[in-house]
Amino acid sequence: DQQVKQNSPSLSVQEGRISILNCDYTNSMFDYFLWYKKYPAEGPTFLISISSIKDKNEDGRFTVFLNKSAKHLSLHIVPSQPGDSAVYFCAASGNTGNQFYFGTGTSLTVIP
Amino acid sequence: NAGVTQTPKFRILKIGQSMTLQCAQDMNHNYMYWYRQDPGMGLKLIYYSVGAGITDKGEVPNGYNVSRSTTEDFPLRLELAAPSQTSVYFCASSITTNEKLFFGSGTQLSVL
Repeated sequence: DQQVKQNSPSLSVQEGRISILNCDYTNSMFDYFLWYKKYPAEGPTFLISISSIKDKNEDGRFTVFLNKSAKHLSLHIVPSQPGDSAVYFCAASGNTGNQFYFGTGTSLTVIP
Repeated sequence: NAGVTQTPKFRILKIGQSMTLQCAQDMNHNYMYWYRQDPGMGLKLIYYSVGAGITDKGEVPNGYNVSRSTTEDFPLRLELAAPSQTSVYFCASSITTNEKLFFGSGTQLSVL
């Protein structure tokens, strides 16, 4: 059973526009959420995180929003750039374990 | 600054063969992890370690073994390779639990 879900396998966006990547989770014990970015033939790299005590975290062009009641988080990239083209994974963990649960990823293509 | 180093990058095994995937980190992280990623799936935790001499099972440990004799190294052993173990394997480390993971570049393994 997939505790973290990314229901959009792919997304295409024009350069300069906003990219919105979505992630849903089922476990109400999750309290820490991260987004990773992955280029082909490389390992995932950390992008941004959010704790359940917050509903928004911003880092430059990247903002993560958390809606705990809906068990939903989203990553906004504004403005999108061609170099943002990659696979984005969301991940979640709870304070009772040592494991991060990953979504299946969304492949973002930013069109110049 | 090497970070997390995995070897080899690619490997083809025959059914029943054994091999060890190597992982080393130079960041003095206590926590280390092995994940596998199957096509179209999220990363699944195989084993993790919270420090030298301490290891524990993750979500999908069957068919694998690990050891942690030093802080730096966390090898993953496949004893009797099976086609179901065809996957991309990622090693990761973190300072402590519920902290962002630093990933290696991955090992692509095919069992034929």
